[in-house]
Amino acid sequence: QKEVEQNSGPLSVPEGAIASLNCTYSDRGSQSFFWYRQYSGKSPELIMSIYSNGDKEDGRFTAQLNKASQYVSLLIRDSQPSDSATYLCAVPSGNTPLVFGKGTRLSVIA
Amino acid sequence: DAGVTQSPTHLIKTRGQQVTLRCSPKSGHDTVSWYQQALGQGPQFIFQYYEEEERQRGNFPDRFSGHQFPNYSSELNVNALLLGDSALYLCASSLFHRYYEQYFGPGTRLTVT
Repeated sequence: QKEVEQNSGPLSVPEGAIASLNCTYSDRGSQSFFWYRQYSGKSPELIMSIYSNGDKEDGRFTAQLNKASQYVSLLIRDSQPSDSATYLCAVPSGNTPLVFGKGTRLSVIA
Repeated sequence: DAGVTQSPTHLIKTRGQQVTLRCSPKSGHDTVSWYQQALGQGPQFIFQYYEEEERQRGNFPDRFSGHQFPNYSSELNVNALLLGDSALYLCASSLFHRYYEQYFGPGTRLTVT
């Protein structure tokens, strides 16, 4: 099975700062990429999808994709304590609808 | 707009027992996928159902089986429970032609003692 790698963290940033979350994937054929947010004890929530190289912005969130480097990132601007959660990167691969990384735990300090 | 629902919320079973978990997809969705999430890990794909058939399967033993009903709802069955089956079981729904855009239900927390 193809792999998705994320730094498990925790990543700690002060309130108002930019949080940068990174993900690498092994399947060069992947065409779509997803970021999920998971609060402790809750289920994953889809927050961003990106399909082509470059940046995609949605409110305070920006997803960045570089297929040549097999790298996708999520930037959170003006981080708030409510952004504290685990962020999961997910990529469709082969016969698997979504292969997830282990997630990066983000802590925004007020 | 009704989201994905799952039942029960929590479940405690004993080793060797069997369990059935249930899922209703988001309104308008026709495809259901099941995932297992152990503590500190990302969700692991179990299988996917569309048109009442298992379409794709992850690396899980035959003790894990499922079913999809004509109304698109789905069940996950696990036989001969092991301690290692303790996890959060997540159901995700999607449209078949956009199967990768998945929306998760709240999950069922299964504890095997």
